[in-house]
Amino acid sequence: GAGVSQSPSNKVTEKGKDVELRCDPISGHTALYWYRQSLGQGLEFLIYFQGNSAPDKSGLPSDRFSAERTGGSVSTLTIQRTQQEDSAVYLCASSLGISELFFGEGSRLTVL
Amino acid sequence: GESVGLHLPTLSVQEGDNSIINCAYSNSASDYFIWYKQESGKGPQFIIDIRSNMDKRQGQRVTVLLNKTVKHLSLQIAATQPGDSAVYFCADNTGRRALTFGSGTRLQVQP
Repeated sequence: GAGVSQSPSNKVTEKGKDVELRCDPISGHTALYWYRQSLGQGLEFLIYFQGNSAPDKSGLPSDRFSAERTGGSVSTLTIQRTQQEDSAVYLCASSLGISELFFGEGSRLTVL
Repeated sequence: GESVGLHLPTLSVQEGDNSIINCAYSNSASDYFIWYKQESGKGPQFIIDIRSNMDKRQGQRVTVLLNKTVKHLSLQIAATQPGDSAVYFCADNTGRRALTFGSGTRLQVQP
């Protein structure tokens, strides 16, 4: 596609439910990132995929969070047993290298 | 903790004036810096970047200055326009594979 595509754009869920957020990166981009942005805050790094290398999971806040990237393209961020503090905008980005990340519009998650 | 931070959370300028947004970083090993612009409801957009072997880089209406002595980064926007109103983030890479973002500065352009 022309840009990074994320879905859903908005997700409202009940506390304790699992959610999956999807990211479709720019075709050919080998690097894919997930960040989290709480209201009025900066971007918190979650996880980074680069080619076939082991992902950098150092930013995942708890073991309820996981992500995978299939076939070096689409990525899914899964949050299990969601909590209210998980409410945020989840941003995906892709790039050819460390420079000039291209971000999607984000998935806004609201946990009631 | 975060490698980068910002001096002011909100900056208000008059249309046509120049804007200067500041950023401080703490890690002297940071070797690459980027400025992003985020408009309401949208993802961040790349503005300009600079490597640590440079102290100035210019783009269209924007200039980034890097002062490694005091670990300070600034973004200058010339002739600020209403469309420049957004939150601006600086980010750095200390050799870690992912960028570390600061908390952002909101730029408000007054007509």
